[in-house]
Amino acid sequence: RKEVEQDPGPFNVPEGATVAFNCTYSNSASQSFFWYRQDCRKEPKLLMSVYSSGNEDGRFTAQLNRASQYISLLIRDSKLSDSATYLCVVRIGFYGNQFYFGTGTSLTVIP
Amino acid sequence: NAGVTQTPKFQVLKTGQSMTLQCAQDMNHEYMSWYRQDPGMGLRLIHYSVGAGITDQGEVPNGYNVSRSTTEDFPLRLLSAAPSQTSVYFCASSYSGYRASTDTQYFGPGTRLTVL
Repeated sequence: RKEVEQDPGPFNVPEGATVAFNCTYSNSASQSFFWYRQDCRKEPKLLMSVYSSGNEDGRFTAQLNRASQYISLLIRDSKLSDSATYLCVVRIGFYGNQFYFGTGTSLTVIP
Repeated sequence: NAGVTQTPKFQVLKTGQSMTLQCAQDMNHEYMSWYRQDPGMGLRLIHYSVGAGITDQGEVPNGYNVSRSTTEDFPLRLLSAAPSQTSVYFCASSYSGYRASTDTQYFGPGTRLTVL
């Protein structure tokens, strides 16, 4: 079983739409959670960390449900520039030295 | 502050050749790691290091060696290249220990390797 599972998509949404991505993780010792963004043929870059209480950064909202081992990312008012692959990432253990990546969810925002 | 740098950006090898992918960071991060990214597989951890002189295997270590003689550098060696090692390789670094839970990884631009 994979440590982190994501719906690969693709998601094709019109500009201005709201879109949500989900991710599940299998290891209950996972302590840190992140969403990364990866543009085509580029390196992954941190979009936002995910905190237990949920957190928001502009149009982006991340939620964590430890009981269900589930992470989500909500993008409101989608922009063309949001088109990318979104990677769910977990870090195992409080001082964990291994990050596990989901395979990514592809988003295309259409004019 | 260059962040994480990788060389080369592109490489073509023949089966059986060996080579070293270079990775360096200037952020004084203790933790460094190598990933490979293949279509439909996501990023998979090859090897990682929590400090100079300390390395450990990740999910897919076979066919690769690493060493960490300094905090800054973490080279990845392909011992005898195989077509199955055709991939995009990313190096990453981050803080370790108590800062790890609030910090994340920073990635280099990647090396695109083709093995014929």
